[in-house]
Formats: sequence, C-alpha cells, structure tokens
Amino acid sequence: GQQVMQIPQYQHVQEGEDFTTYCNSSTTLSNIQWYKQRPGGHPVFLIQLVKSGEVKKQKRLTFQFGEAKKNSSLHITATQTTDVGTYFCAGPAAGNKLTFGGGTRVLVKP
Amino acid sequence: EAGVTQSPTHLIKTRGQQATLRCSPISGHTSVYWYQQALGLGLQFLLWYDEGEERNRGNFPPRFSGRQFPNYSSELNVNALELEDSALYLCASSMAPPGGGLFFGEGSRLTVL
Repeated sequence: GQQVMQIPQYQHVQEGEDFTTYCNSSTTLSNIQWYKQRPGGHPVFLIQLVKSGEVKKQKRLTFQFGEAKKNSSLHITATQTTDVGTYFCAGPAAGNKLTFGGGTRVLVKP
Repeated sequence: EAGVTQSPTHLIKTRGQQATLRCSPISGHTSVYWYQQALGLGLQFLLWYDEGEERNRGNFPPRFSGRQFPNYSSELNVNALELEDSALYLCASSMAPPGGGLFFGEGSRLTVL
C-alpha cells in the first residue's frame, strides 16, 4: 500500500533560523496536504498543493510539490516559538484514504 | 460557524469493555473520517463515511466499527477493548469528495486500563 514518509522525525531549531522538512510518497499523488498539530492539540489543515512543481507561501511558510508529484517540502524562515508543533504531510490513497506521514516534530530554542 | 465536535473528551475503560465515541461534522460536510493517534505517534486511518455509507476502512480489526447517521454525525465503536487501544481518536469532516483538507475535532482520549 501507499506509504508516506517524512524526514526528519525531530527538528530542533534556534529561534530565528530557517529549516525544511521533507515528505516522500511511494506513489504519485493527486495532491499533497500539510497539517500542523500543536502540543496537546488537534491537526489543523494548512494547505493543499495540486499541480506538479507548485509553490505556495503562507507568510514565513513555503510549501512545494515536486515535479513528479511524489514529494513535497515545507520550509519555514525565521522560526518563531509559535512554530512549535508537529507538521504532517498527507496524500490521498485509493478510496479517498488520506494517508499521513509520521510527522516532523519541531522544537524551538529561544 | 461551529467546527467538528467530539464527545466525550476523555473516556476511561477497562479491558474487554466497549467504547462509543461521537462526532458531529461541520455543517454542510457529508464526509466523516476517523483516525487513531497513539501517544506521540502519527495518524492511522480507521474509517471513512459519506452519505451514511462506509466507504473505506483502514487496517484495523472488525471490533472497530462505526456508522454515520442521516444528519451526518457519526459514532465509532470499539468492542473488546485492549490496552493498545489507548489513544487519541480524531474525527474529521470534509466536503465530498475531499478537496481542501480535513477539518479535525479536538479528539476523544480513550484510556484502557
């Protein structure tokens, strides 16, 4: 079955620095979605990418969908303490089953 | 506009008992998804309901079941509870077909003793 993998599993970032988290699917995706889950909270939808090579920005967050539509990345610039949480990517498998990656847990050092 | 609501927030059961979790989707959403999130881990797909029908299920044993009601609310039933069923159970809703993401509730934390 489809597998979605994310690296790194953990990311310790100094406040103000940039970082990138990566998402890879074993199959070609029709779209890729990103979610953020704050500690103790529930996943919150951030964005969906549909087109090959698509790039979308939300303030300090830049999302990219790979040309082959099998990978994606999330880049955060000038990390802030509010960026703490786990970032999940998710892609649809057969039968509309949205498969989530294992997530990248982001910890920010002030 | 109200978001996805789940109840109960917390539930404590003992091994062998049954648990019932409930979910009300966002108004206008006809699809409901259930996910299991064990402590500190990722989201595992359980079930997808749309228009009252079960459309897909994940790799979970049959003792995990559910249904969707005519008002699109849903419940998840877990029979013969085992210790490893302890987890956060998340319900999400979307328009059907999903496009534009899932909207999650705050979850029901099930503890099996």
